[in-house]
Amino acid sequence: DAGITQSPRHKVTETGTPVTLRCHQTENHRYMYWYRQDPGHGLRLIHYSYGVKDTDKGEVSDGYSVSRSKTEDFLLTLESATSSQTSVYFCATGQGFTDTQYFGPGTRLTVL
Amino acid sequence: SQQGEEDPQALSIQEGENATMNCSYKTSINNLQWYRQNSGRGLVHLILIRSNEREKHSGRLRVTLDTSKKSSSLLITASRAADTASYFCATFQGGSEKLVFGKGMKLTVNP
Repeated sequence: DAGITQSPRHKVTETGTPVTLRCHQTENHRYMYWYRQDPGHGLRLIHYSYGVKDTDKGEVSDGYSVSRSKTEDFLLTLESATSSQTSVYFCATGQGFTDTQYFGPGTRLTVL
Repeated sequence: SQQGEEDPQALSIQEGENATMNCSYKTSINNLQWYRQNSGRGLVHLILIRSNEREKHSGRLRVTLDTSKKSSSLLITASRAADTASYFCATFQGGSEKLVFGKGMKLTVNP
């Protein structure tokens, strides 16, 4: 998994609570990505980062925010979780923006 | 919106047979990538083919790209039970920093 860890790996939370997912890499890759994977939708990009403090929106960014204060860490925050955000979340990294992406093991989030 | 669409959506074969998966896309691309996902795991990169390449090999994998038809195929030769997984094609659209994934195709290789 190219030195990418995600925490927590599983989380159950209630509607309306804030949730933060963490992605940590040891590869010194410039690019980091957050995806969600849902049945029938494949992987959809939420947000990505092209450097420390440099982030941009993806396809499904509503309800999510991100921060990257260090090269190795990329945080995904659900400000007020909703049941529609129940999903499996994957972090990925890449050296260049057209290069191979390396994926973490995923976080399964359930919002009740 | 989905860029790549895999076809078929599911394929079941016997061990030793070849498996072919197709991917179609809609806009010009910088490169096309194939990934594998085992159940409950993250995606693993298999192969990347650039828009100026027509064919690429990696072990038992062979990928072709036809930019005039906006399509790619992934061939797995002499399949094994361990090849059972979901396979995704993903494309980098020209000028974009985003890799767009298809919905995936489930391959089952029966022992």
